[in-house]
Amino acid sequence: DAGVIQSPRHEVTEMGQEVTLRCKPISGHDYLFWYRQTMMRGLELLIYFNNNVPIDDSGMPEDRFSAKMPNASFSTLKIQPSEPRDSAVYFCASSLDVRQPQHFGDGTRLSIL
Amino acid sequence: GDSVTQMEGPVTLSEEAFLTINCTYTATGYPSLFWYVQYPGEGLQLLLKATKADDKGSNKGFEATYRKETTSFHLEKGSVQVSDSAVYFCALKANSGYALNFGKGTSLLVTP
Repeated sequence: DAGVIQSPRHEVTEMGQEVTLRCKPISGHDYLFWYRQTMMRGLELLIYFNNNVPIDDSGMPEDRFSAKMPNASFSTLKIQPSEPRDSAVYFCASSLDVRQPQHFGDGTRLSIL
Repeated sequence: GDSVTQMEGPVTLSEEAFLTINCTYTATGYPSLFWYVQYPGEGLQLLLKATKADDKGSNKGFEATYRKETTSFHLEKGSVQVSDSAVYFCALKANSGYALNFGKGTSLLVTP
């Protein structure tokens, strides 16, 4: 099993640019989660999908953030325009169903200058 | 709302010392409880879990018991190794929910 795969591992870009983070969940997992990790706020859930459908996006901080899951094997988290306060590590996780543990990717470390 | 409180770190121990990382929670009903570990530069890995009161989760020498009466899920290990150096996160998931609610994490450094 390849695990949850995220890309890129690191992203450095200038304020105002569009940023796209990518995630490939574990095959067969019906749930996909996007988290953000910062020193100040710890790990926060941004949004999650069930069978490619967004279920709860109440954690998305602003309209500048958007997430999609066009098929069962791919999801994106987009920030447009990016701001320095968006700098964080963004994790994607997937799980087989609601009762099973979530499996995390290695994260994308995002730095907005 | 639901929340998890972990002891502040960093925790520094010598190899073979006994480890306890405290975790308490606030939640309605009977949530599932988890410990995740994050090694430098990596994502979170599930370490152990417990889904009901008095359950004991265990893995790689780590243990935690779900205590409903004290709303706690403390992580313990009898003899830590340098390779255990990492950040440890306590988390809960409500029975009616889908997402994990994490504590702030506790950094552990084990010295030879």
